[in-house]
Amino acid sequence: DTAVSQTPKYLVTQMGNDKSIKCEQNLGHDTMYWYKQDSKKFLKIMFSYNNKELIINETVPNRFSPKSPDKAHLNLHINSLELGDSAVYFCASSQDIQLAGEQYFGPGTRLTVT
Amino acid sequence: AQKITQTQPGMFVQEKEAVTLDCTYDTSDPSYGLFWYKQPSSGEMIFLIYQGSYDQQNATEGRYSLNFQKARKSANLVISASQLGDSAMYFCAMTLNRDDKIIFGKGTRLHILP
Repeated sequence: DTAVSQTPKYLVTQMGNDKSIKCEQNLGHDTMYWYKQDSKKFLKIMFSYNNKELIINETVPNRFSPKSPDKAHLNLHINSLELGDSAVYFCASSQDIQLAGEQYFGPGTRLTVT
Repeated sequence: AQKITQTQPGMFVQEKEAVTLDCTYDTSDPSYGLFWYKQPSSGEMIFLIYQGSYDQQNATEGRYSLNFQKARKSANLVISASQLGDSAMYFCAMTLNRDDKIIFGKGTRLHILP
């Protein structure tokens, strides 16, 4: 069974469009995260949700909005896509809050904005 | 299937001692890369060190070195002369050169004691 899944795996879209990436975890974890990985493999945390409440937002443009319908899902919605949004986005989950425990990563979604 | 295993969820080490964080990987691909990231409580992922599968020598970056044992499929991170600021989560990760996919371990929580 896949612990953390993301859809789609690949997303190619044009500038100005609005798109969403979905994330689901079946581990019963309370906390979920979104990370952005740039071309040099550096990762930056974007959001963290604990029991459907946002607890971290690291200077991410407000075009990015996380949506958590329940604690097993944390979707990432992006408005007015820009070229610089092209990256791989990783979802992760953990049992603990405040990034204290093991994190389970999804396979990533490669977003390409043309 | 590719997999990264970090068997130490948490470690406590006295300041100034050396510490080894374990990482084993599984892949049948001959061409891959291994990474270590540090994640402090702020949540950002800080790149520490990289080892390519064809590199003959172990990678070193300051106090960090990667003990690469290809036959055993292990890529342990060694931190010499540990400091209080080394307290963080540490993630081992692997990329496959054929598809640029990155796979993460679950992380090891390192606590440096004064």
